Amino acid sequence: GQSLEQPSEVTAVEGAIVQINCTYQTSGFYGLSWYQQHDGGAPTFLSYNALDGLEETGRFSSFLSRSDSYGYLLLQELQMKDSASYFCATVSGGYQKVTFGIGTKLQVIP
Amino acid sequence: SQTIHQWPATLVQPVGSPLSLECTVEGTSNPNLYWYRQAAGRGLQLLFYSVGIGQISSEVPQNLSASRPQDRQFILSSKKLLLSDSGFYLCAWSTPGTGLNEQFFGPGTRLTVL
Repeated sequence: GQSLEQPSEVTAVEGAIVQINCTYQTSGFYGLSWYQQHDGGAPTFLSYNALDGLEETGRFSSFLSRSDSYGYLLLQELQMKDSASYFCATVSGGYQKVTFGIGTKLQVIP
Repeated sequence: SQTIHQWPATLVQPVGSPLSLECTVEGTSNPNLYWYRQAAGRGLQLLFYSVGIGQISSEVPQNLSASRPQDRQFILSSKKLLLSDSGFYLCAWSTPGTGLNEQFFGPGTRLTVL
């Protein structure tokens, strides 16, 4: 089966750094993705990790540890526009299947 | 460039009525196609995915069904809607064989069952 766990809500201050953790149990695991969704909108892709380690894309970084079935999304220099829900998602089933977590609602405060 | 369309944008249906939501993709061939449902304030639940015409994988047993009559067309249907079918329905596509499986989402259909 597939299951993912991530915190439901996180609050952080503008300009600060926040880390959103994700643990998973996924058969046939290939990689871990992160998506951002603003209220009322559709999710948009942020990053993907297939190998252990840190991937950096601008202010956002994503980490994966396959042995620990664990990953995180790191957001630096937080801006108000970063207030959104963030979903981790596992890729499995021969790269065909994507299973999303419940999402972490990030609130950035002044 | 690739685009994905979903319609209708919003829908209000009575319990027991049928449902048909349509999703089409332009600008790509043989995409993987997906239907997700998102309840208010909740995560995305994978309902169906398809790797080709007529090939449908169902993730959650329920009163919904999906069909892929054409390469870039994906349809979500129900014969009789339940109250619990209310939610935000998202169609997505990805390019097969990349290993990344980056999902590109449509604008969604907000369904309310009364």
